[in-house]
Amino acid sequence: GEDVEQSLFLSVREGDSSVINCTYTDSSSTYLYWYKQEPGAGLQLLTYIFSNMDMKQDQRLTVLLNKKDKHLSLRIADTQTGDSAIYFCAEWDSGSARQLTFGSGTQLTVLP
Amino acid sequence: EAGVAQSPRYKIIEKRQSVAFWCNPISGHATLYWYQQILGQGPKLLIQFQNNGVVDDSQLPKDRFSAERLKGVDSTLKIQPAKLEDSAVYLCASSLERGGIFRNEQFFGPGTRLTVL
Repeated sequence: GEDVEQSLFLSVREGDSSVINCTYTDSSSTYLYWYKQEPGAGLQLLTYIFSNMDMKQDQRLTVLLNKKDKHLSLRIADTQTGDSAIYFCAEWDSGSARQLTFGSGTQLTVLP
Repeated sequence: EAGVAQSPRYKIIEKRQSVAFWCNPISGHATLYWYQQILGQGPKLLIQFQNNGVVDDSQLPKDRFSAERLKGVDSTLKIQPAKLEDSAVYLCASSLERGGIFRNEQFFGPGTRLTVL
C-alpha cells in the first residue's frame, strides 16, 4: 500500500529558508500536494505538483520532485513567524482507490 | 464563498457513550470526505460520498462507526459505542467531484476534537 513519510520537526530562524522533505512509495501517484495546518484549524492546500513535473514555483514556495527517488520537498523562502504550522505532504492515488494519503506532518517552528 | 462547516468543535464523552458529528460542505460540492486525525499523525480517510452514495468506506470501522449523507448535502458521522482509541480530530472535507486535480481539490473544515475518557 501507499506510505508517505516526513521528518517530524524543523526549526528555522525568521528570514531563513525552510526545506521540508517527504518520501512516498506509490509509483502510480499522479499528483502530490502540500497542505498547511495551523492550530485548531483544518488543512489548507498550499500547492501541488503533477508527477511529470520536476519543479513548481509559487511566490515564496518552491516544490521539487525527484520521481526516480520518490522524493518531494517544499522550500519556503524568507520564512516568517506566520509560517509556523504543521505541513503535510499527500499523494493522490489515481488508481482504483482514488484517495489522498497523508504523511504524518512536519512541525515547522520559526524562531524570531 | 462559505467554507466547510462542522459542529460541534469539541466533544468530551465517556467510553461506551455515543457521539455524532455534523458537516455542511461547500455549496455545489458533490464529494464529501470524513477523515480521522489522531494526534501526531496525518488525516486518515474513513469514508467518501459522491452525492448521497458511498463510494469508499473500506477504512471505516463499521462495527461502531456509521455515516450518512441523505440528501447529498449535509453529512453526519456517528460513533456508537466510543472507545478510548477514538480520541482524535474528525475532519470533514468536500470537493467538486472525484476526478481531475482541480476538481479534486479538497477543502477542509476546522474539525471536531473528540476526547473519550
